[in-house]
Amino acid sequence: SQQGEEDPQALSIQEGENATMNCSYKTSINNLQWYRQNSGRGLVHLILIRSNEREKHSGRLRVTLDTSKKSSSLLITASRAADTASYFCATAEWGTDKLIFGTGTRLQVFP
Amino acid sequence: DTGVSQNPRHKITKRGQNVTFRCDPISEHNRLYWYRQTLGQGPEFLTYFQNEAQLEKSRLLSDRFSAERPKGSFSTLEIQRTEQGDSAMYLCASSLGSPQDPFSGNTIYFGEGSWLTVV
Repeated sequence: SQQGEEDPQALSIQEGENATMNCSYKTSINNLQWYRQNSGRGLVHLILIRSNEREKHSGRLRVTLDTSKKSSSLLITASRAADTASYFCATAEWGTDKLIFGTGTRLQVFP
Repeated sequence: DTGVSQNPRHKITKRGQNVTFRCDPISEHNRLYWYRQTLGQGPEFLTYFQNEAQLEKSRLLSDRFSAERPKGSFSTLEIQRTEQGDSAMYLCASSLGSPQDPFSGNTIYFGEGSWLTVV
């Protein structure tokens, strides 16, 4: 079963714009991880944020976590056409490190 | 570090046949996971191993599915008597868990997946 949902389900932007994706989840978590998936390919790990962290950065990526609202956001700044992919959040509940994935956001970046 | 390797990458089989997928995790990773993903959906957890022990199985894993990790290194996922509903991408992942803090939140690395089409 899916843990939560990403919002929006699909997002289309122009190169250079910022892209923001949101993720909501249902249970108490140990950590939340964001992944990228190009069409027909495996998942590429982007960033992990622990439940005691509120914000993390990695290059053009910025992730926030609000455990009181059970939500996270992924911001991609200065997007490029190569960022076109599906983005998934995944959560690990306390006491386990198996990941439960959301439904994903399909990002299209136009040159 | 060669990453998580999965074979075969694509498999087309007739309904009723058995198929087996192999996963080689990142060297020294003690945890190995199997997920299934259908078009337009996020990956769904199937099972995971700590070394050779299978610690958890999803209810999605019917009795036609069996996973093994006999020596705590590579793993196989076998599907017996395949059905059209088994058509999906099967993803393997691995991580390095710490015995001192087994649920510290480790990065989980995925392979490229094995596509199964049942005709």
